[in-house]
Amino acid sequence: AQSVSQHNHHVILSEAASLELGCNYSYGGTVNLFWYVQYPGQHLQLLLKYFSGDPLVKGIKGFEAEFIKSKFSFNLRKPSVQWSDTAEYFCASDNDYKLSFGAGTTVTVRA
Amino acid sequence: EAQVTQNPRYLITVTGKKLTVTCSQNMNHEYMSWYRQDPGLGLRQIYYSMNVEVTDKGDVPEGYKVSRKEKRNFPLILESPSPNQTSLYFCASSLRFEPNTEAFFGQGTRLTVV
Repeated sequence: AQSVSQHNHHVILSEAASLELGCNYSYGGTVNLFWYVQYPGQHLQLLLKYFSGDPLVKGIKGFEAEFIKSKFSFNLRKPSVQWSDTAEYFCASDNDYKLSFGAGTTVTVRA
Repeated sequence: EAQVTQNPRYLITVTGKKLTVTCSQNMNHEYMSWYRQDPGLGLRQIYYSMNVEVTDKGDVPEGYKVSRKEKRNFPLILESPSPNQTSLYFCASSLRFEPNTEAFFGQGTRLTVV
């Protein structure tokens, strides 16, 4: 079954720094990939998704992700983070009628 | 406002006392599911429902039951809660389960079983 893994458990950075969070998926066939964000005390919200087409996907709040099939990766990026980007970030794929989530990466942005 | 509503948001209960966490969506979505979130494990699916009266097990169904008598509601039932069911629970819905359909999540229910 399809699964995703996230490399970083906790990332701490300063405002205006660039962010890149790693995500790898396991399945070599057709894959649908997502990044969700969970702000403190809130529910998950969709940041962006990839189904097909342009491998560089633009999402909300200035986030983007690049699907690299040869590396089985779907890394999330933001050129310049803000304090309000402090949250937990989840990579996910869908298969077998469910979303399979990675363990999540907690991002702390220091002012 | 389109939303998924869970109740209660917080619950502390004792081992063995049956409880129900409700989930309701107002978007006429066919697909609904329950996840639990545990530190270091991400979210894992408990049960899902493709439509009314159609439910199936997810990855971690043991100790849980669900029902889907109406399209909008998908309650999660713990018949005899145990401390290992202490977790953060999320209900989610989407129009259908197919590519390019976004999942909407409820606010979460933090359950503590003592």
